[in-house]
Amino acid sequence: EIVMTQSPATLSVSPGERATLSCRASQSVSSNLAWYQQKPGQAPRLLLYGASTRATGIPARFSGSGSGTEFTLTISSLQSEDFAVYYCQQNNNWPLTFGQGTKVEIK
Amino acid sequence: EVQLLESGGALVQPGGSLRLSCAASGFTFSNYPMSWVRQAPGKGLEWVSAITASGATTYFADSGRGRFTISRDNSKNTFYLQMNSLTAEDTAVYYCARNGLVGAGDYLDYWGQGTLVTVSS
Repeated sequence: EIVMTQSPATLSVSPGERATLSCRASQSVSSNLAWYQQKPGQAPRLLLYGASTRATGIPARFSGSGSGTEFTLTISSLQSEDFAVYYCQQNNNWPLTFGQGTKVEIK
Repeated sequence: EVQLLESGGALVQPGGSLRLSCAASGFTFSNYPMSWVRQAPGKGLEWVSAITASGATTYFADSGRGRFTISRDNSKNTFYLQMNSLTAEDTAVYYCARNGLVGAGDYLDYWGQGTLVTVSS
């Protein structure tokens, strides 16, 4: 099983600032990496797949990069609605696995 | 509009069984693999199981292998998770999700709102 490790666990950011979230895979997943956003009491929402392709309706301030074992999600200028928990997920091998999440909170 | 609606969550005793259903609409259901993902209270996301578009192949996380069965009825646009020998560790919100098709696929592009399974005596 591929283990996904996200850092940091919590990120404190002021509105308008840039946020950078990291995700590391225990072995290469090529570019088969997705990012999700989850707000309290809601289902997760797909943000990016293929490491860098935005899902339908996702604003351009969300971007992703990386391949192999190291990935980054960047939110260029945090809006109030972006404070949430973010998860990465590898879809290169079964079983599918998620990282433990990064909570982005208001500083 | 893609919609996924889970049902079947309930309070069940340890050792009991439960069947979850997910009704899909707004897309050609028979073209898509589908997954179940769960989230224990206050915890992160855990992928549980997936089934291919035809239903011919299924996949399971170790946590459910041997106890859970996934199936689908493409004529009803519905898929299912049969859970047996439930323990307290299975207590979670269970989400159904559609697997994406682009590239390697199996990212989860649409999600239901979840159904709560509580295992307790």
